Amino acid sequence: EAGVTQFPSHSVIEKGQTVTLRCDPISGHDNLYWYRRVMGKEIKFLLHFVKESKQDESGMPNNRFLAERTGGTYSTLKVQPAELEDSGVYFCASSQFRDENNEQFFGPGTRLTVL
Amino acid sequence: GNSVTQMEGPVTLSEEAFLTINCTYTATGYPSLFWYVQYPGEGLQLLLKATKADDKGSNKGFEATYRKETTSFHLEKGSVQVSDSAVYFCALMPHAGKSTFGDGTTLTVKP
Repeated sequence: EAGVTQFPSHSVIEKGQTVTLRCDPISGHDNLYWYRRVMGKEIKFLLHFVKESKQDESGMPNNRFLAERTGGTYSTLKVQPAELEDSGVYFCASSQFRDENNEQFFGPGTRLTVL
Repeated sequence: GNSVTQMEGPVTLSEEAFLTINCTYTATGYPSLFWYVQYPGEGLQLLLKATKADDKGSNKGFEATYRKETTSFHLEKGSVQVSDSAVYFCALMPHAGKSTFGDGTTLTVKP
């Protein structure tokens, strides 16, 4: 079974540009989460989809970030325009809807560098 | 809200030394507790987990016990190897919700 995949693995852009990150969850997982780790600090929650609906987007830092999950399969996270402080590693995770152990499976992450 | 406090790093040990990385948490309800590991150049991998009080999670020689009375989930390994060098994250996850992570502890094991 394929795990969570993310694309690209690394992105380097200039301040003011736009970047779109993609996450493909494990097939059949209704829950999809985005997290990020900035400046070597803790991994922080960004948002949570259940299928195509945003269940919780309380962690989204500002309106420069837009997440979508059309059709309830893969998800994209767009940053527009990117700022220096957006640099970090963006992780995606997925889990089954009714997993009592709530284990989330993480992707390898996308390392974003904004110059 | 929920929070996780992890032992500050970095931690440097010699091969075969004993490892403890402290983790304490505050949470409402009864979350599951996890340790994740990130090896150099790789993504997050689940190392071990415990879903209720007094459960012990174990994997690859690592252990952690869910202590409700001390709200702790300390990670231990009796004899570390160079290949254990990585960043370790303690995390708590309530049922079907967002995870809360600690800051991560960087472990370097020297031969």
